[in-house]
Amino acid sequence: SQTIHQWPATLVQPVGSPLSLECTVEGTSNPNLYWYRQAAGRGLQLLFYSVGIGQISSEVPQNLSASRPQDRQFILSSKKLLLSDSGFYLCAWNKAGGPRYGSEQFFGPGTRLTVL
Amino acid sequence: DAKTTQPTSMDCAEGRAANLPCNHSTISGNEYVYWYRQIHSQGPQYIIHGLKNNETNEMASLIITEDRKSSTLILPHATLRDTAVYYCIVRVVETGANNLFFGTGTRLTVIP
Repeated sequence: SQTIHQWPATLVQPVGSPLSLECTVEGTSNPNLYWYRQAAGRGLQLLFYSVGIGQISSEVPQNLSASRPQDRQFILSSKKLLLSDSGFYLCAWNKAGGPRYGSEQFFGPGTRLTVL
Repeated sequence: DAKTTQPTSMDCAEGRAANLPCNHSTISGNEYVYWYRQIHSQGPQYIIHGLKNNETNEMASLIITEDRKSSTLILPHATLRDTAVYYCIVRVVETGANNLFFGTGTRLTVIP
């Protein structure tokens, strides 16, 4: 069966420090991968998605970047964190090349980031 | 993507059916309706999706109006564990990736 892992679960970082959040998927190959952010009291916002190694699409301009060095690894990074980067970060995956419509996404447990 | 409109919050008595409405009046013919839910501090969980026919699975039923401009998610016998934020999303899958855009959802509180 497929599983998705994220770490760390919680993180407290000072403003201006770097960030690296990691997401890995097991039990599948060539998944589509996604990074979302959820600010307190708000809905989920798609940040990045990837359809393959080295292929990253950004949905919104921001202080963050993403990389996909391996097929089932997705990393979210920042060189200098801002206060506004605080939030709940979720990684998700779904099958590539699945049915043209209606392929659900599976979410990881999330990382709660607090920037002080 | 078509936008959705959901009530901000709803209450439901434990054991009763929870009916969560969603308006998607600008939905296109090739867009599916998805429902996810998010229990506090956890990742969203897929519930159900449909195109135009009503759908049912072990978690819920999805009723889509004939004109597809609105839908209702039905939890037939709500339990306390169903307390969560429920997101209604419409989306067509484009080549390469299936991006889901979440709004603020409906916060369902199941009351003992």
